[in-house]
Amino acid sequence: NAGVTQTPKFRVLKTGQSMTLLCAQDMNHEYMYWYRQDPGMGLRLIHYSVGEGTTAKGEVPDGYNVSRLKKQNFLLGLESAAPSQTSVYFCASIPILSGPLLSQFFGPGTRLTVL
Amino acid sequence: KNEVEQSPQNLTAQEGEFITINCSYSVGISALHWLQQHPGGGIVSLFMLSSGKKKHGRLIATINIQEKHSSLHITASHPRDSAVYICAVSNFGNEKLTFGTGTRLTIIP
Repeated sequence: NAGVTQTPKFRVLKTGQSMTLLCAQDMNHEYMYWYRQDPGMGLRLIHYSVGEGTTAKGEVPDGYNVSRLKKQNFLLGLESAAPSQTSVYFCASIPILSGPLLSQFFGPGTRLTVL
Repeated sequence: KNEVEQSPQNLTAQEGEFITINCSYSVGISALHWLQQHPGGGIVSLFMLSSGKKKHGRLIATINIQEKHSSLHITASHPRDSAVYICAVSNFGNEKLTFGTGTRLTIIP
């Protein structure tokens, strides 16, 4: 199993450009998450999904959109990139919720720079 | 005030020392998680605990629900333990985690 994979690993964008980050998991997990990590701050939740076809906003959703058309994939879109979106983006997934939230499996991260 | 606070922010120690990293939280939780982020960036889950203590190799995690406090201990520390250690909490019925800002640990040979 590949676990959680992210594409691309690195990307440089110019202000105003758009892009899509892909997260894929092969563990049949129900829940998937997109986080951003910035220096001096904890992981912050952008959007998440509790199942195929569902999405919900997290702590910092502005400027991002997501889609979960297939259970194994969770896409994060930036329609018009801004320098404030320069960050490292992590995707994570967990099996279906039963009792306390289980440990999350993280992807390797995508380093995005917006000039 | 952040819901999850870690201390210290940075910790440098000599190889072999006993390490303690602390996590305090201000909300009721169903579970607390410890994660490790290596210099390369990858994040792995170390422990999930809701009471008592868990041990895995040289790592020990404890939690005191009444005091809303958890500690991560590393015995006989080694340079390969150098990483950022992150504490996170979750609530029953809530699909989200709240993360601390992490503790950067450096072990000097």
